[in-house]
Amino acid sequence: SAVISQKPSRDICQRGTSLTIQCQVDSQVTMMFWYRQQPGQSLTLIATANQGSEATYESGFVIDKFPISRPNLTFSTLTVSNMSPEDSSIYLCSVFGLGEKLFFGSGTQLSVL
Amino acid sequence: AQTVTQSQPEMSVQEAETVTLSCTYDTSESDYYLFWYKQPPSRQMILVIRQEAYKQQNATENRFSVNFQKAAKSFSLKISDSQLGDAAMYFCAYAGTSYGKLTFGQGTILTVHP
Repeated sequence: SAVISQKPSRDICQRGTSLTIQCQVDSQVTMMFWYRQQPGQSLTLIATANQGSEATYESGFVIDKFPISRPNLTFSTLTVSNMSPEDSSIYLCSVFGLGEKLFFGSGTQLSVL
Repeated sequence: AQTVTQSQPEMSVQEAETVTLSCTYDTSESDYYLFWYKQPPSRQMILVIRQEAYKQQNATENRFSVNFQKAAKSFSLKISDSQLGDAAMYFCAYAGTSYGKLTFGQGTILTVHP
């Protein structure tokens, strides 16, 4: 399985500020995925991050709100910008591992006051 | 668009017994993958089992097995010899040709009673 390190594990932020979440993988991967899990809800895909190109965003998510960087094949960041309480969620990154299985990081629990 | 439905918000089972979690999905694609993920309170998403749609044989992983009914678009998870550590939220998920882009069901909270 792929080893995925996600930081921070949790944070409490003030309204109007931004938070950058980091995702580090122990092997090179072509695609990385960012998901959001709102309180008591299921997971929703935010965007797909490919190295060397702009991220592809799903309907309802925009680059200005969730800018993503993918500087190399083992690392990606997701920024949650101009936060509001509605952004309080768990954010997870995921990648393909051995056997074409999708593995997830441990998630970032974000609370916006 | 694909949809995944888990009709059981909560399920409970006695330790050492067997429980089945239900999942149905809707798709027009012929090639796809189905997954069950477990999410304990630690919020870590743990892959339990994966099924390729082109395989008729049901996937098994130790105490976990699936009943994949392609025509009925049904994908249930059976947990045998339930253990206290099986208590978690279970999500059914679908991946089509855009593999990696998962569509998740609403989840089923599984409680295991000693």
